[in-house]
Amino acid sequence: RKEVEQDPGPFNVPEGATVAFNCTYSNSASQSFFWYRQDCRKEPKLLMSVYSSGNEDGRFTAQLNRASQYISLLIRDSKLSDSATYLCVLLRAGSYQLTFGKGTKLSVIP
Amino acid sequence: DAGVIQSPRHEVTEMGQEVTLRCKPISGHDYLFWYRQTMMRGLELLIYFNNNVPIDDSGMPEDRFSAKMPNASFSTLKIQPSEPRDSAVYFCASSLGASFQPQHFGDGTRLSIL
Repeated sequence: RKEVEQDPGPFNVPEGATVAFNCTYSNSASQSFFWYRQDCRKEPKLLMSVYSSGNEDGRFTAQLNRASQYISLLIRDSKLSDSATYLCVLLRAGSYQLTFGKGTKLSVIP
Repeated sequence: DAGVIQSPRHEVTEMGQEVTLRCKPISGHDYLFWYRQTMMRGLELLIYFNNNVPIDDSGMPEDRFSAKMPNASFSTLKIQPSEPRDSAVYFCASSLGASFQPQHFGDGTRLSIL
């Protein structure tokens, strides 16, 4: 089983829609979790960290379920500018190495 | 503030040639990471440095790959000899500390080996 698994998509959603991505991980020793965003032919950029209690940043909500070993990202009121690939990322306890999922591609259409 | 600077942005060369990728991390950052991204395998960590010292190179695919960090502001990733399967986007990233800190990525080098 891969360490981090994501549905590659693409998710094609209309503007204003709510969309959610899940990501599962296999290593229960994973300590920290993040969502990165990567635009086409660009570098990955940190979108948000994921905290155990769940956290929100504007239209974006991230949640962590340690028991089921998955994290999620919810985007409300999607904008055209949200079109990108969203990478699920984890950091193992005691390690300085980030492990990236292959990403979920989102296309927001007018 | 200047971000992570990589050069060249694009490199096209014939197999068998030596390829050198360069990276200047953000000033003051003490961790530097080299990644490779392909459609098949996604983003993979090749090697990372802490205070110019290589810490983990287990991701380096084989002896044809080598990386150095002679000082806090410069690192190189070298492939010699290059092969077509090395074609990928190579990213350098840096961070201040590693845990809980975002990694700042450079624009990447698009490498094509013919």
